[in-house]
Amino acid sequence: DQQVKQNSPSLSVQEGRISILNCDYTNSMFDYFLWYKKYPAEGPTFLISISSIKDKNEDGRFTVFLNKSAKHLSLHIVPSQPGDSAVYFCAARAFNFNKFYFGSGTKLNVKP
Amino acid sequence: DGGITQSPKYLFRKEGQNVTLSCEQNLNHDAMYWYRQDPGQGLRLIYYSQIVNDFQKGDIAEGYSVSREKKESFPLTVTSAQKNPTAFYLCASTRGAGPDEQFFGPGTRLTVL
Repeated sequence: DQQVKQNSPSLSVQEGRISILNCDYTNSMFDYFLWYKKYPAEGPTFLISISSIKDKNEDGRFTVFLNKSAKHLSLHIVPSQPGDSAVYFCAARAFNFNKFYFGSGTKLNVKP
Repeated sequence: DGGITQSPKYLFRKEGQNVTLSCEQNLNHDAMYWYRQDPGQGLRLIYYSQIVNDFQKGDIAEGYSVSREKKESFPLTVTSAQKNPTAFYLCASTRGAGPDEQFFGPGTRLTVL
């Protein structure tokens, strides 16, 4: 039973344009959401997070939006750069429970 | 530099042999985790530990065992009972309770021949 889903396995975007990566979850107890970036044969690196008390968090070119009623979050990258090409995972954690649930990832390709 | 180290980067074993993957962190984090990633798939939780001498099974614990005798170390043993052990294994840690991201090690690619 996958509680965090990323339904798009891949996304291709032109350099300079916006990349939008989506994530859906089913567990209403999730209160903390994260996005990670991963290159092949390396560990994921943390990008940005958002608490369930917010609906938006911004860090430079990266913005995460949270829609609790729809149980949906998205990561916006503006402008996209070729170095952003990687696999992006969303993750969620339930309140006061130190276990993280990961989506299956979306492979982003930013074309020069 | 604080971080998580996993060794070795690549590991080859014959079928039927047990193998232990190392994970060490110097971040003073309380919680540690082991994940498995297969090609084209996400991260699946094998085991996690929130404090020393305590650990819980994740979603795919069968065929694996762990220990947490020291705060900084969380080794994973892949036993011969694990039917498909070839995968990329990732270790992670967090400070503990409260909203906090996981820090990941560089991973170990295990290939069973």
